[in-house]
Amino acid sequence: SQQGEEDPQALSIQEGENATMNCSYKTSINNLQWYRQNSGRGLVHLILIRSNEREKHSGRLRVTLDTSKKSSSLLITASRAADTASYFCATVGAGGTSYGKLTFGQGTILTVHP
Amino acid sequence: NAGVTQTPKFQVLKTGQSMTLQCAQDMNHNSMYWYRQDPGMGLRLIYYSASEGTTDKGEVPNGYNVSRLNKREFSLRLESAAPSQTSVYFCASSDVGQHYGYTFGSGTRLTVV
Repeated sequence: SQQGEEDPQALSIQEGENATMNCSYKTSINNLQWYRQNSGRGLVHLILIRSNEREKHSGRLRVTLDTSKKSSSLLITASRAADTASYFCATVGAGGTSYGKLTFGQGTILTVHP
Repeated sequence: NAGVTQTPKFQVLKTGQSMTLQCAQDMNHNSMYWYRQDPGMGLRLIYYSASEGTTDKGEVPNGYNVSRLNKREFSLRLESAAPSQTSVYFCASSDVGQHYGYTFGSGTRLTVV
């Protein structure tokens, strides 16, 4: 079963606006990662946040992690048309048989209109 | 360019045929993975190899087999293809400590008719 669930399933915004996507997960994690997938392409790693971190930045991306609520959010600031893609959160379990394996959510489809 | 290379990019099979999807990485990663992605869904893990010489089942292993040929190569075999295996297949690799995320190949789009 999917570990992560993402919200919203689809998001449509204008260029220049901020986009926020949320992810919830079920079990304890080692880390949480966000990926982007352009239509018909492979996934590209965006950012990784460890379970002992609360916030991380990379360029226009800001990721937060709340382990008490088992949730994360991805904020893309000043969006561009080129940000149009599907965004997936994925978790690596804290230990045991889930260690090292990424479990993906179903993704958020982001459309940025010029 | 460094990365994960998958072949073929597209394939059409008839029900019952067999085929092997190839994957190679040149980043000296220890771990490799096979995922499938179906429309409107995230990726589901089929098999993975934590290190050379080991393979383990993921979430949806039925109907598939894998071989970790060496540190670079990890192949996925469909012995008797079924329409339910129509999907896009992604290979990925990662370092031991999971510090930098996975690197994905560009995918193989497989249709079973």
